[in-house]
Amino acid sequence: SQELEQSPQSLIVQEGKNLTINCTSSKTLYGLYWYKQKYGEGLIFLMMLQKGGEEKSHEKITAKLDEKKQQSSLHITASQPSHAGIYLCGADKNTDKLIFGTGTRLQVFP
Amino acid sequence: NAGVTQTPKFQVLKTGQSMTLQCAQDMNHNSMYWYRQDPGMGLRLIYYSASEGTTDKGEVPNGYNVSRLNKREFSLRLESAAPSQTSVYFCASSEDGTGSFQLRHTFGSGTRLTVV
Repeated sequence: SQELEQSPQSLIVQEGKNLTINCTSSKTLYGLYWYKQKYGEGLIFLMMLQKGGEEKSHEKITAKLDEKKQQSSLHITASQPSHAGIYLCGADKNTDKLIFGTGTRLQVFP
Repeated sequence: NAGVTQTPKFQVLKTGQSMTLQCAQDMNHNSMYWYRQDPGMGLRLIYYSASEGTTDKGEVPNGYNVSRLNKREFSLRLESAAPSQTSVYFCASSEDGTGSFQLRHTFGSGTRLTVV
C-alpha cells in the first residue's frame, strides 16, 4: 500500500552481517505489527509496537517505533540463513483493519 | 492447534470459471479478512468481516464476493475468474477490530491461484 512505505524492497546479506528494514507512514500509527513470511508459506507474527519510542526484541531481532509514531525499524543482528524470507509491516491507523507495506525480501547467503 | 485453515492450497482455473476459497478459524476470533498478495504490492485487503453477519469491502473488492457463514468460517468467491485474479490469497483472523493487540492477525497458509 502506498500509505505505508517499506525499504529496502530486497536485501541480500552475508551470514553474520547486521541489517535494518524500515517502515514509514505519513500519518501517526496507533500500532505497528511486524510479520515474517517464509517463501511459499503464511505470515508469522513477530512483534507489535504501540508507544512512541518503544523497542522490543526477540532473539536477534529488534523492532523500534520512533517518538512520532510514524516510522518503525526492524534490525537483525548477526543474520542467519533462518532469517531469510519476506518481512512485512502492518499499520493500525485507528480503523478496524491493518494496512500492510509492500514487504522486504531478505536473502542470507553463507 | 489449527489456527486458520485455508483450502485449497493450489488451484488452476480457466477464465470465466467460478470457485470458492474456504477459510475457518478455531480461535473464537470476531474479525476475519481476505487478502491477496502480488509481487511488489504487499498484502491488499479484499473483504473483511468485523463480526458474524457483517462484511465490508476492502481495497480491492471488484470481482469477489464473500460470505461470513458463522463465527468460524469466511469464504471468498470468484464468480467469473480473470487472469488479473492470479495471485496468492490469504485468509486471516483477529480477536477484534479495535484496541491494542486486537488487530493482531493470525494467517492461513495461503492459496496459490492461477487463472489461465
